[in-house]
Amino acid sequence: EAQVTQNPRYLITVTGKKLTVTCSQNMNHEYMSWYRQDPGLGLRQIYYSMNVEVTDKGDVPEGYKVSRKEKRNFPLILESPSPNQTSLYFCASSTLAGTDAYGYTFGSGTRLTVV
Amino acid sequence: AQSVTQLDSQVPVFEEAPVELRCNYSSSVSVYLFWYVQYPNQGLQLLLKYLSGSTLVKGINGFEAEFNKSQTSFHLRKPSVHISDTAEYFCASEGSYIPTFGRGTSLIVHP
Repeated sequence: EAQVTQNPRYLITVTGKKLTVTCSQNMNHEYMSWYRQDPGLGLRQIYYSMNVEVTDKGDVPEGYKVSRKEKRNFPLILESPSPNQTSLYFCASSTLAGTDAYGYTFGSGTRLTVV
Repeated sequence: AQSVTQLDSQVPVFEEAPVELRCNYSSSVSVYLFWYVQYPNQGLQLLLKYLSGSTLVKGINGFEAEFNKSQTSFHLRKPSVHISDTAEYFCASEGSYIPTFGRGTSLIVHP
């Protein structure tokens, strides 16, 4: 089944403790992206990647890091989480060519709470 | 710069009634337009997309949307809604691989 897999689904952590949220897709998509979803603000893009070793900042990159060493994986790293990073996070991927171009496949989300 | 405005934050409707969720976009370049649905505790799922061609786009679950360039709109419609259509709906535009999402419209279907 074509899918984007995020782990974990739920995470409670303490301020300053480094964490990684993993994201993997099995569709050979070139484009991957991370979003955070907050009430009243919709989805805001954190980082995106056009392909392996190519990443760029989205609208709200402060406090986050990403890497794209393999095409299928795009982990989100919070080096020193703070309470304002408490949010619902989504990973998404898409292809940039062919009839299925554009339009994202989203993961199921990771609900992060930083206390 | 692109922007997407969803004109209603919440739309209540009775089951089997028609519904329209409104979306306006602004962009100085050609854009692709999308509607996504988010059911409770789930990720977003693509409903339909407009890339080019016919301005009336049909999607999954009986939804359709019409691209109107002169009014810069991409409204989502369904002729008869079901309880199961209760969800959050997001309009999005994309140009140069950078997507912009609206803030979402909560569709609430009452029995």
